[in-house]
Amino acid sequence: DTGVSQDPRHKITKRGQNVTFRCDPISEHNRLYWYRQTLGQGPEFLTYFQNEAQLEKSRLLSDRFSAERPKGSFSTLEIQRTEQGDSAMYLCASSLSLTGGMETQYFGPGTRLLVL
Amino acid sequence: GNSVTQMEGPVTLSEEAFLTINCTYTATGYPSLFWYVQYPGEGLQLLLKATKADDKGSNKGFEATYRKETTSFHLEKGSVQVSDSAVYFCALSDMNDMRFGAGTRLTVKP
Repeated sequence: DTGVSQDPRHKITKRGQNVTFRCDPISEHNRLYWYRQTLGQGPEFLTYFQNEAQLEKSRLLSDRFSAERPKGSFSTLEIQRTEQGDSAMYLCASSLSLTGGMETQYFGPGTRLLVL
Repeated sequence: GNSVTQMEGPVTLSEEAFLTINCTYTATGYPSLFWYVQYPGEGLQLLLKATKADDKGSNKGFEATYRKETTSFHLEKGSVQVSDSAVYFCALSDMNDMRFGAGTRLTVKP
């Protein structure tokens, strides 16, 4: 396993369209996280899963955003009715949590979204 | 709530210069502290971490010490190289919450 992968790496869409991103975590990792990063800022937490359960969602995650991890492996992040303000880098990370605490996260390369 | 404040950049240094990037944090509990690095065109990579007070994280010549009394986790390197040019992010995690600083861009010139 070579690490966390994300697809696509780049996405250009028109305002109002729906987009879906995929993340494949490191295979033995039970936690998966989604972040958003805008230019000149650090990543901002969106949501995370422990196995297939979505345990926490940030207030940044409006009702246009939905994330799934149906089998506890890969995850998808969908944005409906995209807006120009959604333009950002969307990062996925995974970790192995054995104690219930926040273990070291390993990041994917990100999906850069541009909404025209 | 938890937060991280990081030294603003950009920082430009000559090769072999000493590097310090300041990071201070606010947390209600006892967080773990991290430095991540993002090289051009790549994803974030863990550089080093410390999980409790007075721990020192180190990797690739970089060091940072978890200082509870000053709520700081400053990143240092004694002699930077051109290949260290990247954006550096300080971060903290506390149970289910992970917060990042805004990042500091470092450019090292030969």
